[in-house]
Amino acid sequence: DVKVTQSSRYLVKRTGEKVFLECVQDMDHENMFWYRQDPGLGLRLIYFSYDVKMKEKGDIPEGYSVSREKKERFSLILESASTNQTSMYLCASTWGQGNTEAFFGQGTRLTVV
Amino acid sequence: DQQVKQNSPSLSVQEGRISILNCDYTNSMFDYFLWYKKYPAEGPTFLISISSIKDKNEDGRFTVFLNKSAKHLSLHIVPSQPGDSAVYFCAASAPGNTGKLIFGQGTTLQVKP
Repeated sequence: DVKVTQSSRYLVKRTGEKVFLECVQDMDHENMFWYRQDPGLGLRLIYFSYDVKMKEKGDIPEGYSVSREKKERFSLILESASTNQTSMYLCASTWGQGNTEAFFGQGTRLTVV
Repeated sequence: DQQVKQNSPSLSVQEGRISILNCDYTNSMFDYFLWYKKYPAEGPTFLISISSIKDKNEDGRFTVFLNKSAKHLSLHIVPSQPGDSAVYFCAASAPGNTGKLIFGQGTTLQVKP
């Protein structure tokens, strides 16, 4: 079974802190994604990566950055956390080519106070 | 600009009856569609998908119908069970084989015993 693991289920951080969200997948997937889920807005893509050290902006990249130093690990960084970044963050991965389903981690509920 | 839309935020049905969840899209280049189910505080799990070369795909109690001319798809659950109560997301695979998924806003399904 594909497993996508996010490092934390719940996080509470203060405004202005630098926040790291970690994601690891164990199926050698090329593509990895970070989404956030907010009520009424669905899942919105923040950043994605299709190879090690490669990254692409999604629909809402402002205030975020990412790092992919190893194929299995994709990190999301909030440079200076703000209250409007309080959300559910979801990591996903897929095979490299063709139409295929994405496998999601369990999510990280981040609260910025 | 919402390319994938789920216009019903919520749906309530009686156990044993049919649940029909709807989804509309605007981009005629989309050629692969997926449905995900999400429980609170968990990541989305893949349910069923359909390629644009088909108009129907069935998997047990779940059937997805695609009407390309209307740019509309629907998920039918028959018979509905209380354990089906969750948020359902429709998604389209972005053109270009990047693995990117574009999600709708989600529909919360409640199945009453």
